[in-house]
Amino acid sequence: EIVMTQSPATLSVSPGERATLSCRASQSVSSHLAWYQQKPGRAPRLLIYDASIRATGIPARFSGSGSGTEFTLTISSLQSEDFAVYYCQQYDNWPQTFGQGTKVEIK
Amino acid sequence: EVQLVESGGGLVQPGGSLRLSCAASGFTFNNYEMNWVRQAPGKGLEWVSYISSSGSTIYYADSVKGRFTISRDNVKNSLYLQMNSLRAEDTAVYYCARARGSTSCYHDYWGQGTLVTVSS
Repeated sequence: EIVMTQSPATLSVSPGERATLSCRASQSVSSHLAWYQQKPGRAPRLLIYDASIRATGIPARFSGSGSGTEFTLTISSLQSEDFAVYYCQQYDNWPQTFGQGTKVEIK
Repeated sequence: EVQLVESGGGLVQPGGSLRLSCAASGFTFNNYEMNWVRQAPGKGLEWVSYISSSGSTIYYADSVKGRFTISRDNVKNSLYLQMNSLRAEDTAVYYCARARGSTSCYHDYWGQGTLVTVSS
């Protein structure tokens, strides 16, 4: 099973600032990496798939990069609605696995 | 508009059974693979089970293999999860999610979730 490790666990950012979230895979997953946003009491929402492709309706301030074992989600200028938990997920192999999440909180 | 609506959650005793349902609308259900993903209270996401569009290919997480059964009815546009021999560690919100991707899969639409609580 591929283990996904996200860092940091919590990221404190001021509105308008840039946020950079990291995700590392225990072995190569090529570009088969997705990012999700989850707000309290809500279902996850797909942000990015294939490491760098924004899902339908996702604002351009969200961008993904990386391949192999190292991936990054960047939020260029944090808006109030972006404070949430973010998960990465690999889908290169079964079982698909998720990282433990990064909470982006208001500084 | 794609909609996934789960139902069937509730409180069940350890060793008991529960059947979850997911009603799909707004897309051609029989063209899509589907998954169940769960989230224990205050914890992260855990994939549970996958079913292909025809139902011919099925996968389970090791944690539920032999206890849970995924199925679908493409006439009723519905996905199911039969859960037997439930344990306390199965307590979670269970989401149905539409699958995309050519290897394993990611999830482009999710339901709102249904809470399963296993407790005596």
